[in-house]
Amino acid sequence: GAGVSQSPSNKVTEKGKDVELRCDPISGHTALYWYRQRLGQGLEFLIYFQGNSAPDKSGLPSDRFSAERTGESVSTLTIQRTQQEDSAVYLCASSEGGAANTGELFFGEGSRLTVL
Amino acid sequence: AQSVTQPDIHITVSEGASLELRCNYSYGATPYLFWYVQSPGQGLQLLLKYFSGDTLVQGIKGFEAEFKRSQSSFNLRKPSVHWSDAAEYFCAVGPFSGGYNKLIFGAGTRLAVHP
Repeated sequence: GAGVSQSPSNKVTEKGKDVELRCDPISGHTALYWYRQRLGQGLEFLIYFQGNSAPDKSGLPSDRFSAERTGESVSTLTIQRTQQEDSAVYLCASSEGGAANTGELFFGEGSRLTVL
Repeated sequence: AQSVTQPDIHITVSEGASLELRCNYSYGATPYLFWYVQSPGQGLQLLLKYFSGDTLVQGIKGFEAEFKRSQSSFNLRKPSVHWSDAAEYFCAVGPFSGGYNKLIFGAGTRLAVHP
């Protein structure tokens, strides 16, 4: 696609429910990143994919959070047993890999999650 | 610890006035520095980046930034602000190592522009 696409754009859920957030990166981008942006705060790194492997998942806040990626395509971030502190905008970004990488991350518009 | 500090949470300027947004970083290795802008309803967009060489870098939309190693700063400037520049601005630092750009972001500065 032309840009990074994320869905849903907005999600309201009840505490304790599971949610899935989807990211469709720019075609051909091998690297994919998930960030979390809490209200009034900067972006917090969650996980990085190179292809379908995740060399760095150091930012996942707890074992309730998991992510997977199919090949060099779609990624899904899953939050189990959601808590109110999970409320945030979840941003996905992609970039070219290896020598083609210009250093720029291309971001989607984010998925706003509200946990009641 | 690696971190980015943007001391100003909100800034208001008049249209046509000059602008400077501050960014200070703490990073153990040679930093690669970025400024991103987030407009309402849009994803983050790269304004400019510094990897090496000339410490004054030019970006899109008439923005520039100056890397000052001695001050650990990478301030963003624009000589004349337009109403369309109202947005949130994020400074970021990262390793940029062979396709891996784990960026550390500041908390952002929200810019309002008065007509």
